[in-house]
Amino acid sequence: EVQLVQSGAEVKKPGESLRISCKGSGYSFTSYWISWVRQMPGKGLEWMGRIDPSDSYTNYSPSFQGHVTISADKSISTAYLQWSSLKASDTAMYYCARHDGPTGWFDPWGQGTLVTVSS
Amino acid sequence: QSALTQPASVSGSPGQSITISCTGTSSDVGGYNYVSWYQQHPGKAPKLMIYDVSNRPSGVSNRFSGSKSGNTASLTISGLQAEDEADYYCSSYTSSSTQGVFGGGTKLTVL
Repeated sequence: EVQLVQSGAEVKKPGESLRISCKGSGYSFTSYWISWVRQMPGKGLEWMGRIDPSDSYTNYSPSFQGHVTISADKSISTAYLQWSSLKASDTAMYYCARHDGPTGWFDPWGQGTLVTVSS
Repeated sequence: QSALTQPASVSGSPGQSITISCTGTSSDVGGYNYVSWYQQHPGKAPKLMIYDVSNRPSGVSNRFSGSKSGNTASLTISGLQAEDEADYYCSSYTSSSTQGVFGGGTKLTVL
């Protein structure tokens, strides 16, 4: 079974750093991109960026460029999303998804990681 | 503002059919046969329902179908069931430097 399993919920203070993870299994991790998607409370899906685990090439949405960093360790089939300085507005659910580059579909999705940033 | 435009809400009675539209431009929906649709129940992760405009992944009911005309793609759900009540999002391959784009989402209510 193709599966993405994300790390658990986090509660952080503004200004703190954070890295969340997404571990793939059941497929060749380097054959597909991994994308990260934000969903703020009560809102829609926002594509943040993606990584090609085979060479760690990344591409970001202009809305998130410079605020987050996407990385991957193909030796352990894991992708990461990290912040160096969190803001209260980063409070959201974050999903990773396997992303087929040539055609753009996302499947499967991780279960989501809830990040809460509050003083 | 999302790059792809969907109606905020649609509704239908059990057994009826509904259609959700997704309007983009010639740089995304209109330019490629790579539109996908996702179902999201409250508190759950999104699930792929349609890919490449009209293909269903294994395990997705044949009550779900997709189509495209010009810059507008559509998701049709026939024989509505209570379990279909969810949010639905479209996505499209895009020629822009942004590698992913979603519609704003449509809340389906089964009356």
